[in-house]
Amino acid sequence: NAGVMQNPRHLVRRRGQEARLRCSPMKGHSHVYWYRQLPEEGLKFMVYLQKENIIDESGMPKERFSAEFPKEGPSILRIQQVVRGDSAAYFCASSPLEGGGELFFGEGSRLTVL
Amino acid sequence: LAKTTQPISMDSYEGQEVNITCSHNNIATNDYITWYQQFPSQGPRFIIQGYKTKVTNEVASLFIPADRKSSTLSLPRVSLSDTAVYYCLVATGGSQGNLIFGKGTKLSVKP
Repeated sequence: NAGVMQNPRHLVRRRGQEARLRCSPMKGHSHVYWYRQLPEEGLKFMVYLQKENIIDESGMPKERFSAEFPKEGPSILRIQQVVRGDSAAYFCASSPLEGGGELFFGEGSRLTVL
Repeated sequence: LAKTTQPISMDSYEGQEVNITCSHNNIATNDYITWYQQFPSQGPRFIIQGYKTKVTNEVASLFIPADRKSSTLSLPRVSLSDTAVYYCLVATGGSQGNLIFGKGTKLSVKP
């Protein structure tokens, strides 16, 4: 059973470009979480999604950031018009349960904005 | 959502037992306590989860007092490879909501 797959592992963008990060949850998991981690800091919750629904986006910046988890395909975290402050590691986690239990994390996508 | 507080860092030596305590004074009746481990440049990894008293697995033990306002992760006989950040997490089982990670404890194991 493959784990949580994130791609790309590394992404370099120039200011003003768009970044798209993809996350395929573990088989059978319908709950996806996105977290952001700045260097030397802890994980910050961004958004919690189920298939075709955003359940909690309280940690997501109001502008430029969006997330989706379509019926088919991976979850996508999209950052428009990136700025240098968006440089961070973005981790996706999936769970078979609502709001609790073990989270299975991917290896992260590291975004660098030049 | 229950907020957690844990030491920012701890130092230990190989072969010692390490205990990391997490405070969660506002824990709710339905909340579970979960610990994760994170190595540099990797995603966090589940270590252990408990509700009350004591839970033990092949990696660690988790001690939770009766009032559940704190919990202690115990790592027996640590090795250099246990150097990592350890996160205490309080989550409400069975209901929706974001899962909040604290700032974590950076454990450094020295030879």
